[in-house]
Amino acid sequence: DIVMTQSPDSLAVSLGERATINCKSSQSVLYSSNNKNYLVWYQQKPGQPPKLLISWASTRESGVPDRFSGSGSGTDFTLTISSLQAEDVAVYYCLQYYSTPRTFGQGTKVEIK
Amino acid sequence: QVQLQQWGAGLLKPSETLSLTCAVYGGSFSAYYWSWIRQPPGKGLEWIGEVNHSGSTSYNPSLKSRVTMSVDTSKNQFFLKLSSVTAADTAVYYCTRTPTGSYDDYWGQGTLVTVSS
Repeated sequence: DIVMTQSPDSLAVSLGERATINCKSSQSVLYSSNNKNYLVWYQQKPGQPPKLLISWASTRESGVPDRFSGSGSGTDFTLTISSLQAEDVAVYYCLQYYSTPRTFGQGTKVEIK
Repeated sequence: QVQLQQWGAGLLKPSETLSLTCAVYGGSFSAYYWSWIRQPPGKGLEWIGEVNHSGSTSYNPSLKSRVTMSVDTSKNQFFLKLSSVTAADTAVYYCTRTPTGSYDDYWGQGTLVTVSS
């Protein structure tokens, strides 16, 4: 299984400041035949299912604010919230879909400082 | 607009079988894989497995011996059965849609299943 490790487990950021979440995979999730990284980012708020934010490591989903961005390739990935808003308080998960079983990071809780 | 609506028994005793149903509204049922993911209270997400319209399955090895997934294409529904449950199976169970070789793009609302004697 591919192990996904997120850091930090939690972070507190002031409103309007940048939040950065890292996700590292135990093996590359870059598929060489199409040069795509098989990684997504989800946002989960209490009592709700996860919401898709970023696919293919860096493609923002329709309707997702442009303050959310994804970067990285191979085994190291980053989700950045450029200017934290109150509604961004949530737990964020990365998921690899390069191979089965699909595996998630343990989650990063983002709070307001 | 695609919607996944799920239901099933919310309280089980140890050794019983968990049974959940997920109904798909909107979109093509045959063009996708259909998955189950669970989340213990206060914890992270675990992929359980997936099934396609023809009944082809892939399960997480950690649960494979106890999991059965199936479909009813006439009703656009798919199902999860997990046998011999224990307290460790207490979780919110989500059904999802998965394009082939891709990620989970639509999620059901979740069903809390509690295993307690």
